[in-house]
Amino acid sequence: GQQLNQSPQSMFIQEGEDVSMNCTSSSIFNTWLWYKQDPGEGPVLLIALYKAGELTSNGRLTAQFGITRKDSFLNISASIPSDVGIYFCAGQMNRDDKIIFGKGTRLHILP
Amino acid sequence: ETGVTQSPTHLIKTRGQQVTLRCSSQSGHNTVSWYQQALGQGPQFIFQYYREEENGRGNFPPRFSGLQFPNYSSELNVNALELDDSALYLCASSLAGRDGYTFGSGTRLTVV
Repeated sequence: GQQLNQSPQSMFIQEGEDVSMNCTSSSIFNTWLWYKQDPGEGPVLLIALYKAGELTSNGRLTAQFGITRKDSFLNISASIPSDVGIYFCAGQMNRDDKIIFGKGTRLHILP
Repeated sequence: ETGVTQSPTHLIKTRGQQVTLRCSSQSGHNTVSWYQQALGQGPQFIFQYYREEENGRGNFPPRFSGLQFPNYSSELNVNALELDDSALYLCASSLAGRDGYTFGSGTRLTVV
């Protein structure tokens, strides 16, 4: 079945640093999604990408839909304490289809 | 508009028992999906309901079943609980034909 490989598994950074994480797939997707999950909560959508090569920003977050449709990355600039959490990449073939999630990247910010 | 609400928030069951989890979809949404999230993993798709019928299913055994009601709310039922069923169960709602799923905060199920 479809699998998403997300890396790194975890990151420890200093406040103010930039963060980069990525996701690769064994098959193509038509939509790439990036979610953040805080403890005790469900995933919250950060950025949705619908077109190969698309680069989209949401505040300090920037994500790109890889040209092969098999990968995506998420960058966070100038990290702040509230960025702590688990970031999931996810793929979807078509609107209304199931969402396939990666295993997540845990972001920790050192005091 | 109200978001997706799930109940209960936490539940402890014994192996072999049955459990029902509930989900109220976001106002204006007509499709509900259920996901299982084991500790340290990403959510895994269980099934999706649209117009009160299952219209997509992941790799889960038949003892996982569901319902969708006319008001678009939904239930997830799990029979013959196993220890590995311990997980966070997430409900997500959407409007068919439109982008965007909204997830609830989940029900944490512990099977002992």
